[in-house]
Amino acid sequence: EDQVTQSPEALRLQEGESSSLNCSYTVSGLRGLFWYRQDPGKGPEFLFTLYSAGEEKEKERLKATLTKKESFLHITAPKPEDSATYLCAVGFTTQGGSEKLVFGKGTKLTVNP
Amino acid sequence: NAGVTQTPKFQVLKTGQSMTLQCAQDMNHNSMYWYRQDPGMGLRLIYYSASEGTTDKGEVPNGYNVSRLNKREFSLRLESAAPSQTSVYFCASNSRRLYNSPLHFGNGTRLTVT
Repeated sequence: EDQVTQSPEALRLQEGESSSLNCSYTVSGLRGLFWYRQDPGKGPEFLFTLYSAGEEKEKERLKATLTKKESFLHITAPKPEDSATYLCAVGFTTQGGSEKLVFGKGTKLTVNP
Repeated sequence: NAGVTQTPKFQVLKTGQSMTLQCAQDMNHNSMYWYRQDPGMGLRLIYYSASEGTTDKGEVPNGYNVSRLNKREFSLRLESAAPSQTSVYFCASNSRRLYNSPLHFGNGTRLTVT
């Protein structure tokens, strides 16, 4: 069973058409939720860290929010340069006391001009 | 401002060959990690090093070995490559363990095993 699920798998938007990406998680003991952006042929690039429910962070056209079961990455008036794969990662403490970081499979965003 | 540097960028191996993937970071980070990324799967941790002189297995360590050469460098070795190890390999680093600070990634090594 996946502990971190991202939806949709792929999303096509027109330039200026706002939307949201979802990251849902089933782990307990959340220690941090991370959003990354990955361009083709590149490594993931850090965007945000959220630590507790109700927390929000913003950067340019991106806004990340966190609840007890999911996080949203809101994209307002996207531009073609926002096209990328967005990855979510959840850090948590296992029942055995060890720390773990699990990545979702990502959402591939395409913004058409 | 190099960040995390991985070499080589591309590699093709035949089954049974060995190779070492190199990684170096210039951010004075304590922790370093090796991940693999396969289509339709999330990034999976192979090995990590929480500090110089220590290494630990991650989620998918079989078929790999690592060496933390010094604080800057962390290498990944495939002793006898298999087609199942065809993947994109990413090295990452951060100042503290896993979820305490964001990971900084290199741009990957694309490995094909035939």
